[in-house]
Amino acid sequence: DGGITQSPKYLFRKEGQNVTLSCEQNLNHDAMYWYRQDPGQGLRLIYYSQIVNDFQKGDIAEGYSVSREKKESFPLTVTSAQKNPTAFYLCASRDLGARRTDTQYFGPGTRLTVL
Amino acid sequence: GNSVTQMEGPVTLSEEAFLTINCTYTATGYPSLFWYVQYPGEGLQLLLKATKADDKGSNKGFEATYRKETTSFHLEKGSVQVSDSAVYFCALGAYSGAGSYQLTFGKGTKLSVIP
Repeated sequence: DGGITQSPKYLFRKEGQNVTLSCEQNLNHDAMYWYRQDPGQGLRLIYYSQIVNDFQKGDIAEGYSVSREKKESFPLTVTSAQKNPTAFYLCASRDLGARRTDTQYFGPGTRLTVL
Repeated sequence: GNSVTQMEGPVTLSEEAFLTINCTYTATGYPSLFWYVQYPGEGLQLLLKATKADDKGSNKGFEATYRKETTSFHLEKGSVQVSDSAVYFCALGAYSGAGSYQLTFGKGTKLSVIP
């Protein structure tokens, strides 16, 4: 089955530690996205990438970093500079190729709790 | 900039009741409009979408019509079930000034259906 996987589902870290969230897709999609979701809020865009080795900041990139070394992978690092990192993180992807679509498909999310 | 406003929840309905969740948007140009659904502890799933004015999106008994004159995309279902209990997000998709396609989300409406 094609889809997007995020691991782990739950993640706990101590304050001041960097942590990396995994996002993998086997849909052969070019574009990938990271969103942050807080209780009672919509999703806010952290970073996105439309092609390997290139990525752009979203609305709330401060305190986060990403890499896109492979088409199928787009890991997100939450650094110690992120002031309030506890949240639900969602990864998404979109097809820009021959089956180009305006629809983004989401993974199951990772809930990060910083203690 | 683009924005999405949807009715605040939570919304509690009895099974078989009629559902309306209001969504209005502000955007330049001709955005695509989406409804996503999020079940507890999971990622977002696309429920339906519409890409141009007067289009009606439909899926699993849910419907929404793209109304350009009222800048609205209200979600409706004639008879809700307990299994419809979830958080519903209205979203707008459009190209940014930098030429990238991005989604703007409403804050979500939590629906609880009681037997």
